[in-house]
Amino acid sequence: RKEVEQDPGPFNVPEGATVAFNCTYSNSASQSFFWYRQDCRKEPKLLMSVYSSGNEDGRFTAQLNRASQYISLLIRDSKLSDSATYLCVVNIGWGKLQFGAGTQVVVTP
Amino acid sequence: GAVVSQHPSWVICKSGTSVKIECRSLDFQATTMFWYRQFPKQSLMLMATSNEGSKATYEQGVEKDKFLINHASLTLSTLTVTSAHPEDSSFYICSTASGDYEQYFGPGTRLTVT
Repeated sequence: RKEVEQDPGPFNVPEGATVAFNCTYSNSASQSFFWYRQDCRKEPKLLMSVYSSGNEDGRFTAQLNRASQYISLLIRDSKLSDSATYLCVVNIGWGKLQFGAGTQVVVTP
Repeated sequence: GAVVSQHPSWVICKSGTSVKIECRSLDFQATTMFWYRQFPKQSLMLMATSNEGSKATYEQGVEKDKFLINHASLTLSTLTVTSAHPEDSSFYICSTASGDYEQYFGPGTRLTVT
């Protein structure tokens, strides 16, 4: 079983629509949680941290459910520039990160 | 956030040769750097934690004699892939950590071993 599991997609989303996807993690001692964005052949870039109370950053909303060990990301009013692979990332302590394999989102005109 | 550079950005080498990848923290003193590897359509996998002035800590399954890590200063860590094989072809990325929170990634090095 993978330590961080994500639906690989692709999620094909019309421009302006909403898309949501989750990930699950196995390490119950995980300390902090993030969504990163990775464009093709580039390094990951931090999109947002995920807090237990849920948090929003513009069109992006993240939720964390520690009891069920899953994290979600919702993108509203999708833009063409949102097309990317979204990585669910878990910090298991001492700065060590575990990455999901990513969910591909393709926003179409 | 911190700025991290890597060099080279891509490299092609012949099987059996060694390749050195540099990771520099340009505006941040990094006592700890992390080295990751990413195969196509797979997740980034932590290879090792590089500690300034001491030996690196390798993840299970990563051969320390094959992937030599040196972290001689607070701004530079190097990863040397020794006796490279085609299966070592991958995207290698380093990062530095700000406390136990956000990590800053280098742009990555794409290694192709022929």
